[in-house]
Amino acid sequence: EIVLTQSPGTLSLSPGERATLSCRASQTVMNNLLVWYQQKPGQAPRRLISGASSRASGIPDRFSGSGSGTDFTLTISGLEPEDFAVYYCQQYATLKTFGQGTKVEIK
Amino acid sequence: EVQLVDSGGGLVQPGGSLRLSCVASGFSFRSYWMSWVRQSPEKGLEWVANLNEDGSKKYYVDSVKGRFTISRDNAEKSLYLEMNSLRVEDTAVYYCARDSAGYDAWGQGAVVTVSS
Repeated sequence: EIVLTQSPGTLSLSPGERATLSCRASQTVMNNLLVWYQQKPGQAPRRLISGASSRASGIPDRFSGSGSGTDFTLTISGLEPEDFAVYYCQQYATLKTFGQGTKVEIK
Repeated sequence: EVQLVDSGGGLVQPGGSLRLSCVASGFSFRSYWMSWVRQSPEKGLEWVANLNEDGSKKYYVDSVKGRFTISRDNAEKSLYLEMNSLRVEDTAVYYCARDSAGYDAWGQGAVVTVSS
């Protein structure tokens, strides 16, 4: 099983600042089959990025994904008020496993 | 508009059974793999089971094998999860989700509580 470790657990930032979230895999994620989701309280997760770097339809371009192999990053270039939420990574190369999440909170 | 509507959650005693349903609309249901994913404070997000377009291939996380059964009815555009021998640790919000480069559509979630 591929274990995904996200860091930091919580990121305290102000609107307009840049957020950098990390997702590290215990083994290579083949073909970079990695997804990022955003989840707000009381809602289901929403897919932001697939294939490590492809933005989903309707997702603003301030969200970008990068990385390959075992190290992946989600960057939010300038935080908007609606971006404060929990973010999860997931790999879908070997079965499907999720990271434990990073909470982006208002500083 | 793609929509998935989950139902069937509730409170059940350990050892009991529940059946979750998910009705799809807005897309060609028979053309997609579908999954059940659950979320709890203790375990976070966890894939539970999925099946292919015609339901001939089914896969489960080890912790539910032999207890849960995933199925679908393409004519009714519906996905099901039959849960037997429920345990306290199965307590979670259960989501149906469309498999497409991860999960690109989710239901609103059905709350399952296993407690005596």
